[in-house]
Amino acid sequence: AQSVTQLDSQVPVFEEAPVELRCNYSSSVSVYLFWYVQYPNQGLQLLLKYLSGSTLVKGINGFEAEFNKSQTSFHLRKPSVHISDTAEYFCAVKGNTGFQKLVFGTGTRLLVSP
Amino acid sequence: GAGVSQTPSNKVTEKGKYVELRCDPISGHTALYWYRQSLGQGPEFLIYFQGTGAADDSGLPNDRFFAVRPEGSVSTLKIQRTERGDSAVYLCASSLGGGSGRQETQYFGPGTRLLVL
Repeated sequence: AQSVTQLDSQVPVFEEAPVELRCNYSSSVSVYLFWYVQYPNQGLQLLLKYLSGSTLVKGINGFEAEFNKSQTSFHLRKPSVHISDTAEYFCAVKGNTGFQKLVFGTGTRLLVSP
Repeated sequence: GAGVSQTPSNKVTEKGKYVELRCDPISGHTALYWYRQSLGQGPEFLIYFQGTGAADDSGLPNDRFFAVRPEGSVSTLKIQRTERGDSAVYLCASSLGGGSGRQETQYFGPGTRLLVL
């Protein structure tokens, strides 16, 4: 079984500042990792994913994440945020063999202010 | 290129009533998933369909919850004798297949917000 920990429930940041949203996971098998964003009253939109290969993954809207196997982390970063980045961000993990459930963290609310 | 659609977008019902929530996946996607998202939480897996069959229903909380996908496309989540604790957003997702590789990406619908009074 897998689990995900997003320690920060809320991250306030000023516009144009850099941001990092933390994600740690636990799994007994190799995993796929995902970041999803959820805007108010909308469904989840995939930001980026790690399946294999390069540990630095680039996604949409200028976001990137780095898979660190030794630290079991997959932190999300953006060098300069915009007001429009205000949303809920979810990290998710699943085992990479056969069917395995996608397991989500509790989410981090990113609040960007001017 | 339509995405995943869900109807209704909002549903208010009374305790003890029966409800049906519908999901239309992306055309050609063989895998379909239902999740439940309670306030302040991440989505929690309910059930996974591969084609017409439920390949994994281990997330269904009890026997009041049931889901079908009779023709391998549209799916209906059915909740009998609703309880106030069933209030949540029910999300549907689909993917091209349930196997490994790039097919693993799940695309989510906007959800159905269920309120049980």
